[in-house]
Amino acid sequence: QSVLTQPPSVSGAPGQRVTISCTGSSSNIGAGYDVHWYQHLPGTAPRVLIYGNSNRPSGVPDRFSGSKSGTSASLAITGLQAEDEANYYCHSYDSSLNSWVFGGGTKLTVL
Amino acid sequence: QVQLEQSGPGLVKPSQTLSLTCAISGDSVSSNSAGWNWLRQSPSRGLEWLGRTYYRSRWRSEYAVSVKSRITINPDTSKNQFSLQLSSVTPEDTAVYFCGRGRDGYLDYWGQGTLVTVSP
Repeated sequence: QSVLTQPPSVSGAPGQRVTISCTGSSSNIGAGYDVHWYQHLPGTAPRVLIYGNSNRPSGVPDRFSGSKSGTSASLAITGLQAEDEANYYCHSYDSSLNSWVFGGGTKLTVL
Repeated sequence: QVQLEQSGPGLVKPSQTLSLTCAISGDSVSSNSAGWNWLRQSPSRGLEWLGRTYYRSRWRSEYAVSVKSRITINPDTSKNQFSLQLSSVTPEDTAVYFCGRGRDGYLDYWGQGTLVTVSP
């Protein structure tokens, strides 16, 4: 039901690398609109991890990186740590809906 | 450091109006470079943007089509806060509601979230 499609869950062992995909269409990511990524621990305020496809705000470790190609974007997390266990959401703009749109969220489990 | 503090009731009866407030510290609701947003998250609808208010020479508001007939987002400059009113609520409006500051197309600060349950 979400406009942007994310895998419901991913997992990895400490120290490993994981990627989370975000697939859109020609009216959002494919139209050139930026993709942003948020990390959310239930009960807390979400925080931005990546803005403008690949930019990290100050304070976000360089273990987090973002990329975009065509109608998709990806969030990569290297050197997985237990504290990375959270829900991750992608976000963009959709010109046909004239609205911000989000992915359904991906739950990252650190094994 | 910007902080957003949400307040409002966690239980609303069907057909009534849901009202939430987001108090801003560290920025101004009248900022010319920010937009003040409301979103919600539920298992059935995921994360959904509801609307925003912002000041660009005059006050403006934009709303999601899905709630446009029922929503009002207003700034309160005297208290440096903004509010959400969603009328004629049904159980489908049960969700965690978030406020957030938007800049350059993304949300750089969020409120802590408020669970609002619509139930008799």
